[in-house]
Amino acid sequence: GAVVSQHPSWVICKSGTSVKIECRSLDFQATTMFWYRQFPKQSLMLMATSNEGSKATYEQGVEKDKFLINHASLTLSTLTVTSAHPEDSSFYICSARASGDGTDTQYFGPGTRLTVL
Amino acid sequence: RKEVEQDPGPFNVPEGATVAFNCTYSNSASQSFFWYRQDCRKEPKLLMSVYSSGNEDGRFTAQLNRASQYISLLIRDSKLSDSATYLCVVTKPDTGRRALTFGSGTRLQVQP
Repeated sequence: GAVVSQHPSWVICKSGTSVKIECRSLDFQATTMFWYRQFPKQSLMLMATSNEGSKATYEQGVEKDKFLINHASLTLSTLTVTSAHPEDSSFYICSARASGDGTDTQYFGPGTRLTVL
Repeated sequence: RKEVEQDPGPFNVPEGATVAFNCTYSNSASQSFFWYRQDCRKEPKLLMSVYSSGNEDGRFTAQLNRASQYISLLIRDSKLSDSATYLCVVTKPDTGRRALTFGSGTRLQVQP
């Protein structure tokens, strides 16, 4: 149980285009999902918290107009990188916490590797 | 000061060795603590939660010292498959969101 999928697993795009990444909880409902970014040889950095049916909460320094988050259902959150630039190239990972789970355990998706040319 | 600090390593140990990793966290209001492992170019996977009383899962033992804001992980009888980066993780104190803060990880290389 507690499987989280991400799609696509990797994407290469031209500078200026927008890229949408999907995060799905496959066998549980997730009121809250999280989006992280990881640069090479660095740790995961929380970008934003995605709440079903409400606006996302962004971490300091993360542009909400550039990284659009939509959490339309209890099993799906999307992250759209708008007008992507080479510096946005990174490993984007989502996680989900099961609704009603009294613990803080998060289950991670396999990640999406974004390369912007 | 980083919110979660770890020795980056690498720790190079022979098979069968016992190895220990340490971690300190800066915010005393953090409430939940975990060790995750991350293989190269993969997502983090939960290894174990860490409880105040200390807990063990097979060859892995985790300890938490709230007074010193210190977390440890002990791996006994290391296997080649234990080679990975071990991430110390704590919850952010704004417990409404229960988001996680990751350390930068300690790399372990178990050698035959």
